[in-house]
Amino acid sequence: EIVLTQSPATLSLSPGERATLSCRASQSIRGLLGWYQQRPGQAPRLLIYDTSNRATAIPPRFSGSGSGTDFTLTISSLEPEDFAVYYCQQRSNWPLTFGGGTRVEIK
Amino acid sequence: EVQLLESGGGLVQPGGSLRLSCAASGFAFRSFPMSWVRQSPGKGLEWVSTISPGDTNTFYADSVKGRFTISRDASSDTLYLQMHSLRVEDTAIYYCAKRGPNWGHFDFWGQGILVTVSS
Repeated sequence: EIVLTQSPATLSLSPGERATLSCRASQSIRGLLGWYQQRPGQAPRLLIYDTSNRATAIPPRFSGSGSGTDFTLTISSLEPEDFAVYYCQQRSNWPLTFGGGTRVEIK
Repeated sequence: EVQLLESGGGLVQPGGSLRLSCAASGFAFRSFPMSWVRQSPGKGLEWVSTISPGDTNTFYADSVKGRFTISRDASSDTLYLQMHSLRVEDTAIYYCAKRGPNWGHFDFWGQGILVTVSS
């Protein structure tokens, strides 16, 4: 099973600041990594698929990068609605796995 | 507009059974893999099961293998999860999720349905 480790667990930032979230895989996942946002009381929403492709209607302040086992989600300038929990997920191997999540909170 | 609407959740005793349904609309249901993902209270996301577009292949997390069965009905655009031998640790919100083209990531999610396993 591929283990995804997200860091940090919590990120405390102010609106307008840049957020950098990390996801590390226990083995190569061939770039088949996605990122999801989950706001309180809501279902997750796909932000980024296959490392760097923005999903439909996702604003350009969200970007993804990485290769091999190390991946990054960057939010260039935090909007109030961006304070949420973010999960990475790999689709390279069965079982599909998620990271433990990073909470982005208002400082 | 893609819509996924789960139903069938509730309270069940340990060892009991429950069947979840997910009514899909707004896309070619028979053309995409469909999945169930769950989230225990206050915890992260856990993939549970996936079924292929043609029903020919099913995949399960080890934690539910042998107890849960995923199925789909193309005539009614409905996804199912039959759950048997339920355990306290199966308590979670269960989400129905559509996978993107070419077995992509989960691009649409239902609102989720709560399953509580407790005596």
